[in-house]
Amino acid sequence: QQQVKQSPQSLIVQKGGISIINCAYENTAFDYFPWYQQFPGKGPALLIAIRPDVSEKKEGRFTISFNKSAKQFSLHIMDSQPGDSATYFCAAKDSGAGSYQLTFGKGTKLSVIP
Amino acid sequence: GAVVSQHPSWVICKSGTSVKIECRSLDFQATTMFWYRQFPKQSLMLMATSNEGSKATYEQGVEKDKFLINHASLTLSTLTVTSAHPEDSSFYICSASAGATNSPLHFGNGTRLTVT
Repeated sequence: QQQVKQSPQSLIVQKGGISIINCAYENTAFDYFPWYQQFPGKGPALLIAIRPDVSEKKEGRFTISFNKSAKQFSLHIMDSQPGDSATYFCAAKDSGAGSYQLTFGKGTKLSVIP
Repeated sequence: GAVVSQHPSWVICKSGTSVKIECRSLDFQATTMFWYRQFPKQSLMLMATSNEGSKATYEQGVEKDKFLINHASLTLSTLTVTSAHPEDSSFYICSASAGATNSPLHFGNGTRLTVT
């Protein structure tokens, strides 16, 4: 059973456009929702994260929107640049899982074309 | 920011041999480390949780005798792939947490293992 569903699987955006990646979850015990960016051959890097007590968090060009009632959260990349081309993973942490075990979505490959 | 160093970044070994991968937290003490496996174009699959000074907890379906994990200090965890076979070829990634539930999870740069 996939606990975090991520879409789309791949995304092509023009330079300067907005990239939007969506995730949905079912486990109401999730209490932390990070997004990771991964370049080929590299490990994931934490991009931005949100907790369910806020509906939006913005850091530079990256914004997370969180809808607790719908159990959905999304990543928006404003003014997308070719350097943003990477695979993005949403994740969620179960408050009862102990320490910091994350459940990952399947990833979205973003390509930003000039 | 917190840095997790993983070594080697890539390794090629012959079938039947063992390979050790190191994961170090460079500027913080990691009471917990996680080992993931990632197949091409797929998500990260948690293999095991490594706690300093205690036995690792393996996820269902992961052979603990094949993937030996040692977390002997607060800054080092190792994953040894024993008697490697071609199907063990994959990208292995470690991550580390300082322990508090609000601590971010930091990832190493991964190790590409190719078993010939």
